[in-house]
Amino acid sequence: EVQLVESGGGLVQPGGSLRLSCVASGFTFNTYWMTWVRQAPGKGLEWVANIRRDGNEIYYVDSVKGRFTISRDNAHNSLYLQMNSLRAEDTAVYYCARFEFGFGYHYMDVWGRGTTVTVSS
Amino acid sequence: SSELTQDPAVSVALGQTVRITCQGDSLRSYYASWYQQKPGQAPVLVIYVKNNRPSGIPDRFSGSSSGNTASLTITGAQAEDEADYYCCSRDSSAKYWLFGGGTKLTVL
Repeated sequence: EVQLVESGGGLVQPGGSLRLSCVASGFTFNTYWMTWVRQAPGKGLEWVANIRRDGNEIYYVDSVKGRFTISRDNAHNSLYLQMNSLRAEDTAVYYCARFEFGFGYHYMDVWGRGTTVTVSS
Repeated sequence: SSELTQDPAVSVALGQTVRITCQGDSLRSYYASWYQQKPGQAPVLVIYVKNNRPSGIPDRFSGSSSGNTASLTITGAQAEDEADYYCCSRDSSAKYWLFGGGTKLTVL
């Protein structure tokens, strides 16, 4: 079964750090781009970051640039999101998803259940 | 512009047809993908690359695109289709990906 399982969420104070993990199974992890998407309480979806199969091409939404780092460990079928200098507005459910990407198209066809990050004092 | 615009809410009578639209300049260059999200659940891909359905998505879901507008059509809406629907596309700058604000579909 194709599956993504996130972990690492929790309550953190403003300015703090958190590292999210996403473990993939049921597919050849190192042949896919991966992505993180978040959803603030009661709000819509927001794309956060993408990473290429080999980890050498990365994109971020402007609001997290310089604070968040996406990475992957293909040997362990794992995706990560290191989140530093956290702000209240980073409070959200964070989903990892498998990302298909080509000329003129993209889609996110497998999603995890999400992990909740709460930034509050 | 770097935005995707969706109507916040749409309603449809049971068994009728409904179209959910997504507007944005980037849609002139990039196909939209569409996601269904029910309360408390992760999003599910329902349409990709204009009009392709993943395995398990009913054929009452279809997609189309014209100019700066992408559309998701549900032909013969069912009660279980009540959900939030999001479009997604690459930004015209090719550096970002964008989600629309979402459309809450109510099946009456």
